[in-house]
Amino acid sequence: AQTVTQSQPEMSVQEAETVTLSCTYDTSESDYYLFWYKQPPSRQMILVIRQEAYKQQNATENRFSVNFQKAAKSFSLKISDSQLGDAAMYFCALQGGSEKLVFGKGTKLTVNP
Amino acid sequence: DTGVSQNPRHKITKRGQNVTFRCDPISEHNRLYWYRQTLGQGPEFLTYFQNEAQLEKSRLLSDRFSAERPKGSFSTLEIQRTEQGDSAMYLCASSSPDGSGSYEQYFGPGTRLTVT
Repeated sequence: AQTVTQSQPEMSVQEAETVTLSCTYDTSESDYYLFWYKQPPSRQMILVIRQEAYKQQNATENRFSVNFQKAAKSFSLKISDSQLGDAAMYFCALQGGSEKLVFGKGTKLTVNP
Repeated sequence: DTGVSQNPRHKITKRGQNVTFRCDPISEHNRLYWYRQTLGQGPEFLTYFQNEAQLEKSRLLSDRFSAERPKGSFSTLEIQRTEQGDSAMYLCASSSPDGSGSYEQYFGPGTRLTVT
């Protein structure tokens, strides 16, 4: 069975500061993909960033970057220069061996002005 | 591109009633997925279609649940004899192969079901 664990139910950050959200996963698949999704309050889920497991280079999308540690099965998200609009639930997700996504329980991020 | 749409956005029903939700995927996407999200949890996979074929079903999908995608376009999710435990947000997503082997899923706004 594939599992995704997000150990931080809530995090907060000051506007313009940097925050890191943690995620660990478990899978027996050799080929898999990892994602971070953002779900703002009462709005639909959108993809923030994705990482192919076969790529050693960490993915980056503007202010968002990941630290992918394959041996440790760790996939953390770093948000730089945090903005008020970054406040949301963040979900880590795994896709491997099947097209379905397996999600963690999420981390609620609060951005303080 | 109008994105993934879902109707209705909210549904309140009495226990024991049947409900049906609709999902319209992004037009060129041939994959369609259903997930369920309860309060404080991440989405849980229910089922997915490639065109009109239902390729995978979760054990969460009891025999009271049925999903269809008759012409490979929109999909419906029906819950028969609803129970209070069915109260959740039902999310639909769609995707198409992007050439990398991954199927990036685009989510709709969800249908929130409340069973009283």
